[in-house]
Amino acid sequence: NAGVTQTPKFRVLKTGQSMTLLCAQDMNHEYMYWYRQDPGMGLRLIHYSVGEGTTAKGEVPDGYNVSRLKKQNFLLGLESAAPSQTSVYFCASCLAGGPADTQYFGPGTRLTVL
Amino acid sequence: GQNIDQPTEMTATEGAIVQINCTYQTSGFNGLFWYQQHAGEAPTFLSYNVLDGLEEKGRFSSFLSRSKGYSYLLLKELQMKDSASYLCAVYDSNYQLIWGAGTKLIIKP
Repeated sequence: NAGVTQTPKFRVLKTGQSMTLLCAQDMNHEYMYWYRQDPGMGLRLIHYSVGEGTTAKGEVPDGYNVSRLKKQNFLLGLESAAPSQTSVYFCASCLAGGPADTQYFGPGTRLTVL
Repeated sequence: GQNIDQPTEMTATEGAIVQINCTYQTSGFNGLFWYQQHAGEAPTFLSYNVLDGLEEKGRFSSFLSRSKGYSYLLLKELQMKDSASYLCAVYDSNYQLIWGAGTKLIIKP
């Protein structure tokens, strides 16, 4: 049982390049989330999904797209990377998104955009 | 707007007790979480409070007062491995988690 995994762990991009971050969970969770974490700020929600085939915008969705084609996978795409997207990206999942439902986090992806 | 406040950094001595406070103003309340995050690692769940009062779990306890919009995390018998950031997060009326910036706890021998 691997829990939540993320690939890649590190990535350096040039401005304007694109990339996709992959999140996978093997806990049969319905809800999945993408956050970014920046120094001095709380985790900020980018996009989330309440089930296979669904996606919704979070607090800071601009410049990102997501897809949830399979229940266990949640992809985060950057179409044209900008230096402001330099951050640590965390994926999380939880069973059903209700009260007391704990979110489990992946190890993170450290992205630098030059 | 929604806001969660925590001290930025705290220092404590190994073997001592430390209390990390969290105050919140959110649109609705459906529970409060505390997570621990070691440097360079993912956040991991510590505790959950939805009713007023104290929840105890080993060396860690968490308290909630909904009327005051206030919680604290109490760590007893501090160990060096407790050096980490502690994140407070509140489920708002839409069941979105609103996160504080975290409190970096430094433990000194």
